[in-house]
Amino acid sequence: AQRVTQPEKLLSVFKGAPVELKCNYSYSGSPELFWYVQYSRQRLQLLLRHISRESIKGFTADLNKGETSFHLKKPFAQEEDSAMYYCALSHFSGNTGKLIFGQGTTLQVKP
Amino acid sequence: DAGVIQSPRHEVTEMGQEVTLRCKPISGHNSLFWYRQTMMRGLELLIYFNNNVPIDDSGMPEDRFSAKMPNASFSTLKIQPSEPRDSAVYFCASRQPFRTGGYTGELFFGEGSRLTVL
Repeated sequence: AQRVTQPEKLLSVFKGAPVELKCNYSYSGSPELFWYVQYSRQRLQLLLRHISRESIKGFTADLNKGETSFHLKKPFAQEEDSAMYYCALSHFSGNTGKLIFGQGTTLQVKP
Repeated sequence: DAGVIQSPRHEVTEMGQEVTLRCKPISGHNSLFWYRQTMMRGLELLIYFNNNVPIDDSGMPEDRFSAKMPNASFSTLKIQPSEPRDSAVYFCASRQPFRTGGYTGELFFGEGSRLTVL
């Protein structure tokens, strides 16, 4: 079965410290993975997708198929990074697909 | 485009009452998703539609929940009768047509409907 696991509900770090938000997945096919972010009083929005191999707002995420992980990292956290982060897995079916989300991790960056 | 529009933003009702949540997807998007957000379970997919047809409703909790998409610009999620455990934030999201062989497109979310059942 397809599943996304984010083991930490809350991650609290000080400004300038490195951040790693963990995500593990279970999927029988070739996975397509995403990170979505929800800032306070804003809509849930796409942060980055693994196929783009891009860095957004200093965040990166590498797909590790051996460990079935897609951890989100940033070397130096900023206060404005405080938000709820969701890891998501795309499950294809015919000509469409659904997005399965993890439980979410709240990142709190303290001054 | 104003994005995905949901109504109401907040709903407080009593147990046993019928609740109807509404969603207007982004024009031109052909997939629509209903999610429920709770602290314990995060974002759960309830149901999704492709070209107005329900594709997967395996996440709908029970028969008290139903969803419709009568046309490309409107969808409803109905709970009848509502129970306190249904209290959550319900999100609607839409996506542009999926390209076979390409990557899954980005989901655009509404602001959510916060439901409280007393």
